[in-house]
Amino acid sequence: QSALTQPRSVSGSPGQSVAISCTGTSSDVGAYNYVSWYQQYPGKAPKLIIYDVTKRPSGVPDRFSGSKSGNTASLTISGLQAEDEADYYCCSYGVKFGGGTKLTVL
Amino acid sequence: EVQLVESGGGLGQPGGSLRLSCTASGFTFSTSWMDWVRQAPGKGLEWVANIKEDGSRTYYVESVKGRFTISRDNARNSLYLQMNSLRAEDTAIYYCARDFAYAQYDYWGQGTLVTVSS
Repeated sequence: QSALTQPRSVSGSPGQSVAISCTGTSSDVGAYNYVSWYQQYPGKAPKLIIYDVTKRPSGVPDRFSGSKSGNTASLTISGLQAEDEADYYCCSYGVKFGGGTKLTVL
Repeated sequence: EVQLVESGGGLGQPGGSLRLSCTASGFTFSTSWMDWVRQAPGKGLEWVANIKEDGSRTYYVESVKGRFTISRDNARNSLYLQMNSLRAEDTAIYYCARDFAYAQYDYWGQGTLVTVSS
C-alpha cells in the first residue's frame, strides 16, 4: 500500500482560496467515497474536517469543502484566514493516509 | 465530553518492549472500531493497526506485523498496543483514534511519544 500523494506545500493570502489535492488509485480514492481530511497544528493531534469526501463535522466552518474526481480528491479552503495555517492530511479507505501538505498563509 | 487518553510511552531499547494504553470516555467504546496511528518526528501520519468492536479481528501495517499486537478490554474502555522487538524506526508519537466509518477518524487522543534508542 503506497501513501496517497499530496503536494508538500501550498500557500495563499488571506481571503483567497486554496486547493489541496490527494491522488490515489482506482483501488482506493477512486473506488470508495470514504475520503477524509484532517487539520493538524504543530504539537497537536489531528482534527477531522471532512469525511465521506464532502461532509463537514459539526463545528467545522463551511469555508472548508471537499470533492473528488476519479482518483483524486481535493480539499478547498475559501476565504483563507491566518488560523488555517497548519498541516493537512487526506485519508482513504483501503490505503490510509497521504503524505501531508503544509499550508502557509502569506 | 469525549476523551481518549494514551499512556505508556517513553524510552525503549532496540529489541525491547513497550505497552501503550488508551482509555476512552464520552462515547460507546464497545461499539467502535479503534485504531493506532503514529507520526514519526517531522513526518506524516501512518496507520499502524486496528481492531474490531469485539476484538475478533485485527489488522496491521506490514512493518509491524509479528512485532506489535493490538488488543482491547471493553469492560475497562481501554485499547492497548503491545510493542515488541522495537526498532529505531518505531520512534514516533502514537495516537489512538476512533474509526467511525471506513478508516475515518472523529476522535483522537493527545498522543504518547515512543523513543527507541540505546
